Amino acid sequence: AQSVTQPDIHITVSEGASLELRCNYSYGATPYLFWYVQSPGQGLQLLLKYFSGDTLVQGIKGFEAEFKRSQSSFNLRKPSVHWSDAAEYFCAVGSYNTNAGKSTFGDGTTLTVKP
Amino acid sequence: EAGVTQFPSHSVIEKGQTVTLRCDPISGHDNLYWYRRVMGKEIKFLLHFVKESKQDESGMPNNRFLAERTGGTYSTLKVQPAELEDSGVYFCASSQRDSVGQYFGPGTRLLVL
Repeated sequence: AQSVTQPDIHITVSEGASLELRCNYSYGATPYLFWYVQSPGQGLQLLLKYFSGDTLVQGIKGFEAEFKRSQSSFNLRKPSVHWSDAAEYFCAVGSYNTNAGKSTFGDGTTLTVKP
Repeated sequence: EAGVTQFPSHSVIEKGQTVTLRCDPISGHDNLYWYRRVMGKEIKFLLHFVKESKQDESGMPNNRFLAERTGGTYSTLKVQPAELEDSGVYFCASSQRDSVGQYFGPGTRLLVL
């Protein structure tokens, strides 16, 4: 069975500092990996996704993530955090069969940004 | 292009009552998914429609939950009778046929008192 672990429930960083959110997954085959962000009162917005190819994936809002198969990790990074990045972040792994594609999510990491 | 919409945005009901949640996917998306997040825990899969057919309903918690997608457009998720543990945020997502990436709606926040 597939599973996702986000070890950090809550992270606080100063505005302008770098950010790394951790994600480890368990999946029997090549995973399809996602990062979503949820701002208060909003739905889940897809930041980036990895299917294959280059293991460093660029996303929206200046985020990137690196797939490391040997570590079963897909950590999210941003070089300089903005106050508007304060939100909850979810890592997810998806299965792919024709007409399938349900995702398994981690528990989420809440990011607080200090002025 | 309109995104995935959900109605209502919030619902407060008493234990034993019935609530119906609605999801309108992005036009042309065959795949429609329901997820929920209970008590700030992880977001869990409930079920998956392909057009009007239930492809996978392995995540439905019990027979108090009934999902439909008549005509393969919008979907409803009915909880009858609602229990306290049903409180949470119910998300709907949609995607194109044979696509893994999903577009999520804003969610419906359900509180059962």
